[in-house]
Amino acid sequence: RKEVEQDPGPFNVPEGATVAFNCTYSNSASQSFFWYRQDCRKEPKLLMSVYSSGNEDGRFTAQLNRASQYISLLIRDSKLSDSATYLCVVNGGGSTLGRLYFGRGTQLTVWP
Amino acid sequence: DTAVSQTPKYLVTQMGNDKSIKCEQNLGHDTMYWYKQDSKKFLKIMFSYNNKELIINETVPNRFSPKSPDKAHLNLHINSLELGDSAVYFCASSHTGGRYEQYFGPGTRLTVT
Repeated sequence: RKEVEQDPGPFNVPEGATVAFNCTYSNSASQSFFWYRQDCRKEPKLLMSVYSSGNEDGRFTAQLNRASQYISLLIRDSKLSDSATYLCVVNGGGSTLGRLYFGRGTQLTVWP
Repeated sequence: DTAVSQTPKYLVTQMGNDKSIKCEQNLGHDTMYWYKQDSKKFLKIMFSYNNKELIINETVPNRFSPKSPDKAHLNLHINSLELGDSAVYFCASSHTGGRYEQYFGPGTRLTVT
C-alpha cells in the first residue's frame, strides 16, 4: 500500500469554479501534512501546511481528518494561474519522522 | 537571494560517463535531500543528510554517491551513467524538528544518451 494516495485527475475546470482534491495516507503516526504545487518543468513549492483544525489561505482551504487519515484541498474561484499539479505530502511519523512522503499529484487545468 | 540552488540546470551526457550535481542552500537548514522525478512525475527520495551525516539511504544503485562537505551543501555524484538515470533530480532542505517543511531547488534535468 502506498504511503500517500491521491486522485491523479486530470481536473479540467472553467475559471471561477470551485474544485476539491483529496488524498489518503497510511501511517496513522504521521504528524504533519502539506499541499505542494508543481508547475510544469518546475520544482515543487510549498502551497500550505494542513492543520488539524483546518486552515484557509485566501482562496485555498485545507482540511485534515485524522480518524479517516484523509486530507483535502479546496480551491475557490479558480484562476488560470492555478493550473498546476497539486501534491499531497505527509511527514512520516514514528521511526520515519522527518521524512516526507509525496503523492503522485493531481493535475489541474483551469480554462478561460 | 536564491534559497536552494543547483548546478547545472541541464546535463546531457553519454552512457558510461561520470557526472556530478551540486546543491547549496542559504536557509540555515540542517537537513538536505536528493529526490529523483522520473518521466511519470513520481517524486522519489534518494538520500538525506543531517549535519553532514547520512540519515536516509533509499534503495539506490551504489553508482550514486552523495557527499555533504558541510550542512549547506549536498552534492550527488553518479558513476557509469545509464539510460534509466535520465530524470529530473531535485535537491531540497529543511530544519530538523517542527513540521519538516522542505524547500526545493530548481532541479537538474539529466539526459543520458
